[in-house]
Amino acid sequence: LAKTTQPISMDSYEGQEVNITCSHNNIATNDYITWYQQFPSQGPRFIIQGYKTKVTNEVASLFIPADRKSSTLSLPRVSLSDTAVYYCLVGARYSGGGADGLTFGKGTHLIIQP
Amino acid sequence: GAGVSQSPSNKVTEKGKDVELRCDPISGHTALYWYRQSLGQGLEFLIYFQGNSAPDKSGLPSDRFSAERTGGSVSTLTIQRTQQEDSAVYLCASSYTSGSLNEQYFGPGTRLTVT
Repeated sequence: LAKTTQPISMDSYEGQEVNITCSHNNIATNDYITWYQQFPSQGPRFIIQGYKTKVTNEVASLFIPADRKSSTLSLPRVSLSDTAVYYCLVGARYSGGGADGLTFGKGTHLIIQP
Repeated sequence: GAGVSQSPSNKVTEKGKDVELRCDPISGHTALYWYRQSLGQGLEFLIYFQGNSAPDKSGLPSDRFSAERTGGSVSTLTIQRTQQEDSAVYLCASSYTSGSLNEQYFGPGTRLTVT
């Protein structure tokens, strides 16, 4: 299983762009990178998934360098409501039933201040 | 449409008792996952069901934990002879297709407290 490393916590201010980096040095060829967001007392929610280069949706962007040993979740113009825990997962997209990639770790606790 | 539902939302039990936690996945989702989240911790994978295949039980912490999924839909997680360290939020998720990293939709969780 590819192990991921993220900062435990980050602080930022409303209106700023926030970048959260995840390290996954032993990522495998078939592995995808997925980010989830979790608010207190709720289950995680899917944010974005990518394999290489850049992926963008209405919520965030995901930057993956050529070596894929890390990835950066970018949240543009954050608001107070973006305060949450963000999890980086690495694993095979179609693993055929295995538990690959089902390690959420402790995530990054992002705190947005006014 | 309806999301993943779990019941009960809260459960307080005495040490040594058995508990059953229920998960109703999104209709049509073939994959179902159970996780455990202790206070201030990340999610710990417990078990994964995919269609009619044998479940992946590699995350179950002990033989006191078991789960079943009837008719490819509803799942029940059973904890026998509960211990205080079993206190946590138990989260269920489902996803549409096979594969471990397809978008998982999570339920609100069941908060289990063992006294």
